[in-house]
Parts: sequence; structure tokens; C-alpha cells
Amino acid sequence: GENVEQHPSTLSVQEGDSAVIKCTYSDSASNYFPWYKQELGKGPQLIIDIRSNVGEKKDQRIAVTLNKTAKHFSLHITETQPEDSAVYFCAASDNQGGKLIFGQGTELSVKP
Amino acid sequence: DTAVSQTPKYLVTQMGNDKSIKCEQNLGHDTMYWYKQDSKKFLKIMFSYNNKELIINETVPNRFSPKSPDKAHLNLHINSLELGDSAVYFCASSPAGGGEKLFFGSGTQLSVL
Repeated sequence: GENVEQHPSTLSVQEGDSAVIKCTYSDSASNYFPWYKQELGKGPQLIIDIRSNVGEKKDQRIAVTLNKTAKHFSLHITETQPEDSAVYFCAASDNQGGKLIFGQGTELSVKP
Repeated sequence: DTAVSQTPKYLVTQMGNDKSIKCEQNLGHDTMYWYKQDSKKFLKIMFSYNNKELIINETVPNRFSPKSPDKAHLNLHINSLELGDSAVYFCASSPAGGGEKLFFGSGTQLSVL
């Protein structure tokens, strides 16, 4: 089955800097890769997603890149703000069984 | 206007008890899920239902029994609670299957003493 590895587990940046979180997946059949943001005491919230037929997607300060050959994808957050502080999860799905496999999470801390 | 609401938010109970968590979504989605988040924040799928039909049962002990009376509701009943069941349980829904574009509830923190 699918296995998703996420790094780093914690990341601390200064406000205004960029943050990058990386994930690798094992199942070449996976074709959908979302990123979720979880704030303290809340459920995860979808912030961006990408399909395997696209190499990069951008939405304002966040972007996701996908290297299908190497089976890795990354989340890039530019001009970080304190409100970006949260736990971020990558995930992968093959769209067949509806099973979304999550990475272990990255706790991002943005210091003012 | 909560999209996915689950109750209760906190549940503290003794080992061996039976408890239920309720979930409702008002998004008109066809697919609903239960996820478990452990103390290390790892999220793992437990069940998914599509229009009241069980689609995924991810090797969860049969002490856990989901019930979907209609496509807007997916409840989780847990029998004979064990210490290891302590976790945060999240309900979610999506407009289609395949695990795409999940909307999560705010979670139920279950503590088994």
C-alpha cells in the first residue's frame, strides 16, 4: 500500500522568510496530492492540491511542486506570517479506493 | 453555519464503556469519513461511506461500528472502550469519493481512563 514520508517534523522560520516542506510517496499509482493545514484545536483544512498531470500549482503565497519520476512533492510558503503557524500535512491518494494516506505532519512556527 | 459538525467535542469515559460520536454535514456531499489522529498527530483513515454504503473499512477492530442513517450523517459507535482508543476522532466529508477535497469537522477528543 501507499506510504507517505514527510520532512521536517518541525520547522521554525522568521516572519517574511520562506518555508519548504517535502514529502515522498511510494505508490506510483497515486495521482492526487493535497496539503492540509491544522490549527490548534481544529480539524485539518485543505489549502492546496495538485494532480499528477501537473508539475506545479500556485495560490497566492503558497505553491506545490510535484516530481512524479522521483515520487516527491513539496509545499512552498513565501513571505510567511505568524498566522501561518500550524501543523501541515501532505497526503496522497490513488483516487480509486478513496483512501487518502497522510504524512506525519510538520509543525511550522513563524516567529514575529 | 458549520459545514461538518461532530458531537461531543470532548468525551471522557472509563474503560469498558460504550460510547457514540455523531457527525452531520450540510454540504450535500455524497462521501463521509472517519479519521483517527493519535497523540503524535498521525492521521489515519478508519471508514468511508458513499451515499450510506460502506466503501472503506481500514482494518479497524469490530468494536468500532459506523452507522450512516442518511448521506448527511455518519455516526461512530465504540463498544468496550480500551485505553488505546484514546485519540482525536475526525469526521470528514467530500463531494466525491477518492479522498479528494475533504472537509473536516473540529474533532472529538476521546479520553479513556
